[in-house]
Amino acid sequence: QVQLQESGPGLVKPSGTLTLTCVVSGGSITSSYWWSWVRQPPGEGLEWLGEIYHSGSINYNPSLKSRVTMSVDKSKKQFSVKLTNVTAADTAVYYCARDGIGDSLDIWGQGTMVIVSS
Amino acid sequence: DIVLTQSPATLSLSPGERATLSCRASQSVSSYLAWYQQKPGQAPRLLIYEASNRATGIPARFSGSGSGTDFTLTISSLEPEDFAVYFCQQRANGPPVTFGQGTRLEIK
Repeated sequence: QVQLQESGPGLVKPSGTLTLTCVVSGGSITSSYWWSWVRQPPGEGLEWLGEIYHSGSINYNPSLKSRVTMSVDKSKKQFSVKLTNVTAADTAVYYCARDGIGDSLDIWGQGTMVIVSS
Repeated sequence: DIVLTQSPATLSLSPGERATLSCRASQSVSSYLAWYQQKPGQAPRLLIYEASNRATGIPARFSGSGSGTDFTLTISSLEPEDFAVYFCQQRANGPPVTFGQGTRLEIK
């Protein structure tokens, strides 16, 4: 079955850029699904960052739109998110997920923790 | 954006009891509402989609109901592994996707 695996730097300096990648295995990234990024600050709730389709179509969360960029690499079966000008408020576990049945997020990666600190 | 408000924030119950969790939307989301379970150190797991449909592999003790602005997740008889945090989520009328703030279900 489809599995997702995030990877990222773990630690990013304030004002820097955070880049995360999610690899899709066990299925096709070009199937009829959108692929999302969600984050969760320690002890807090979930925030959707945006989604991307294999064609390159993208929807961003307006609250982050000025700082977020998403991309997809079909040959590597992966999609990525870039968040610029990070602050401590961007410290969170970042998840990638598949937009599945009924507009739910039906498959999730295990998550990767990113700490913003000097 | 559509705001989802979950209640109660914390629910204290014993194994075998019935749990009723609520999610209210600031405007109608039709039936485009999902529920997730999250345990410490784990990713959320989809339980219910489209308000009342159980996801693959989810036990029958989990059920969802509601439409429009008021939704309920019911766990008919709590098992020890059900104590976790539960989130609702919507994406009616397209993005952005939003989540409720969560309900913590704890052992009494």
